[in-house]
Amino acid sequence: GAVVSQHPSWVICKSGTSVKIECRSLDFQATTMFWYRQFPKQSLMLMATSNEGSKATYEQGVEKDKFLINHASLTLSTLTVTSAHPEDSSFYICSAMGRVDEQFFGPGTRLTVL
Amino acid sequence: AQSVTQLDSHVSVSEGTPVLLRCNYSSSYSPSLFWYVQHPNKGLQLLLKYTSAATLVKGINGFEAEFKKSETSFHLTKPSAHMSDAAEYFCVVSDIGNEKLTFGTGTRLTIIP
Repeated sequence: GAVVSQHPSWVICKSGTSVKIECRSLDFQATTMFWYRQFPKQSLMLMATSNEGSKATYEQGVEKDKFLINHASLTLSTLTVTSAHPEDSSFYICSAMGRVDEQFFGPGTRLTVL
Repeated sequence: AQSVTQLDSHVSVSEGTPVLLRCNYSSSYSPSLFWYVQHPNKGLQLLLKYTSAATLVKGINGFEAEFKKSETSFHLTKPSAHMSDAAEYFCVVSDIGNEKLTFGTGTRLTIIP
């Protein structure tokens, strides 16, 4: 149980375009979802926390207009990288938390912006 | 503020020998501490967690960690390494009651056949 999926697993896009990444909790209801960013050989950095039906809370230094997060249902959160640029290339990981006080992580999405 | 320092970016051990991955933490309050493992192309998996109960915590796959408040350490150990243990390991801290996780920079464990 407690499986979290992400789609796509990897994506390549042109600079200036927008990319949407989906995060789904497959077998539980996620009241809270988290989005992380991981640079090569570096740690995971929390970008934002979202609760179902409310606006996401962004960490300091994360541009909320660039990284749009929607948590419209208890099983789905999306991260949209708007007007992507090469510096946005990274590994994006989501996690989901339900009744159990533990975050379950997705496999990640590798974004490459050309 | 909370933080973790993983003292080794890369550890190599021979199969069948002990594993030690070191982690020191900093926390303003009573911390919760975790070890996660990340295999290539797979999601982070929780190995074990400490939440102010027993200081010696046993996790999955034979791993365990000991919380030492006086040393602000939470080192991960395993008596005998297996090839399948090769992965990236993250030490993580959060303040109790705070869902925000702070990750260390990771330790890549390599197992030598």
